[in-house]
Amino acid sequence: DSGVTQTPKHLITATGQRVTLRCSPRSGDLSVYWYQQSLDQGLQFLIQYYNGEERAKGNILERFSAQQFPDLHSELNLSSLELGDSALYFCASSVQHRGMLVGELFFGEGSRLTVL
Amino acid sequence: AQSVTQLGSHVSVSEGALVLLRCNYSSSVPPYLFWYVQYPNHGLQLLLKYTSAATLVKGINGFEAEFKKSETSFHLTKPSAHMSDAAEYFCAVSEPGGNEKLTFGTGTRLTIIP
Repeated sequence: DSGVTQTPKHLITATGQRVTLRCSPRSGDLSVYWYQQSLDQGLQFLIQYYNGEERAKGNILERFSAQQFPDLHSELNLSSLELGDSALYFCASSVQHRGMLVGELFFGEGSRLTVL
Repeated sequence: AQSVTQLGSHVSVSEGALVLLRCNYSSSVPPYLFWYVQYPNHGLQLLLKYTSAATLVKGINGFEAEFKKSETSFHLTKPSAHMSDAAEYFCAVSEPGGNEKLTFGTGTRLTIIP
């Protein structure tokens, strides 16, 4: 158990819909990362938050957004869903010192999104 | 920008045989390097990491990796494969001192033959 909690574990929805994925980082970790894992794209970094602020952005679509709340949990919002958004979405957290990565990422078990 | 290349998307070895999973990196600065393992329907778990200390790094479950700057490599090895090692393995790189994410390779699926 990594200590990172993601909900829901599975989600099935239709094209055009909107979903929210939730992540609770390990106790004490200020940084949260979101990754998308799909068969054709592999593990793609989406976005990182540090202590409530966006820190780095990767291959995140404009239809997707995220935020980190004062209690440090994070949500990833996916809207106008397309078939190609079907993937496993991972959240990870890390210990950072003065905003810099000092160690490894701890991953949650993922949220599997299926868009029909 | 940093990147990693994993040679071989699928590797099969017999139980008890040597496991060798290859990873080469590209980075403008001396990197931090990681190997993660993903079991079916689970998240990624750290096997080991290199953060500029000893070049031979030992990890969990009998795995180790050697950082070779001259070859820009960080190959993962295990002397004797076990059935429980069947999983997908990812090499990842980050730039020390930066606040950026890990960049992952495309993964290598390891199959153990009884």
